[in-house]
Amino acid sequence: GENVEQHPSTLSVQEGDSAVIKCTYSDSASNYFPWYKQELGKRPQLIIDIRSNVGEKKDQRIAVTLNKTAKHFSLHITETQPEDSAVYFCAASRGMDSSYKLIFGSGTRLLVRP
Amino acid sequence: DSGVTQTPKHLITATGQRVTLRCSPRSGDLSVYWYQQSLDQGLQFLIQYYNGEERAKGNILERFSAQQFPDLHSELNLSSLELGDSALYFCASSADRDSPLHFGNGTRLTVT
Repeated sequence: GENVEQHPSTLSVQEGDSAVIKCTYSDSASNYFPWYKQELGKRPQLIIDIRSNVGEKKDQRIAVTLNKTAKHFSLHITETQPEDSAVYFCAASRGMDSSYKLIFGSGTRLLVRP
Repeated sequence: DSGVTQTPKHLITATGQRVTLRCSPRSGDLSVYWYQQSLDQGLQFLIQYYNGEERAKGNILERFSAQQFPDLHSELNLSSLELGDSALYFCASSADRDSPLHFGNGTRLTVT
């Protein structure tokens, strides 16, 4: 199918700890993998993305890793802060040209406890 | 501000009615995507347009239709509305494939 599987569905961490969210995809031709953060009642906002020719990308406290062989990618947030609390969605591209679309995972609700 | 404009912000209507949601993409973006997000659910892909042409379809109901106009704005039409259609509908735009999607603030539809 076209699923992007995302785990865990909820994650609670203590402020300062790290959080890891994992996703797997089914289409071996997928080559673009963004991550979005959505705060309650607001629009999803891109926080980081990675393309298939790169294995890892980092932006301050956020990093994403990609394993194309295993078809999975992960989001790592270090030194978590209460403002990191939100729902995080992974996504994977699918299809070529006329059938191209971006498929989202089911989301992970992250709670950072002060 | 993402540069993607969606109107209206809120819409309350009755079952059986028809509504139109409007989206203006970011300047220069040719692709427009529509997603549905039900309460505490994920983002369900509905449909994508590129420069006026339908490019990809998700699990969009036959009661729903969309189009992209020559000025690149898009409209999502929802007809014969049911209670289960109540959701947040997001429009997003991108410059090209494998480019970031920029989301609008969404239209919250409530069907009573």
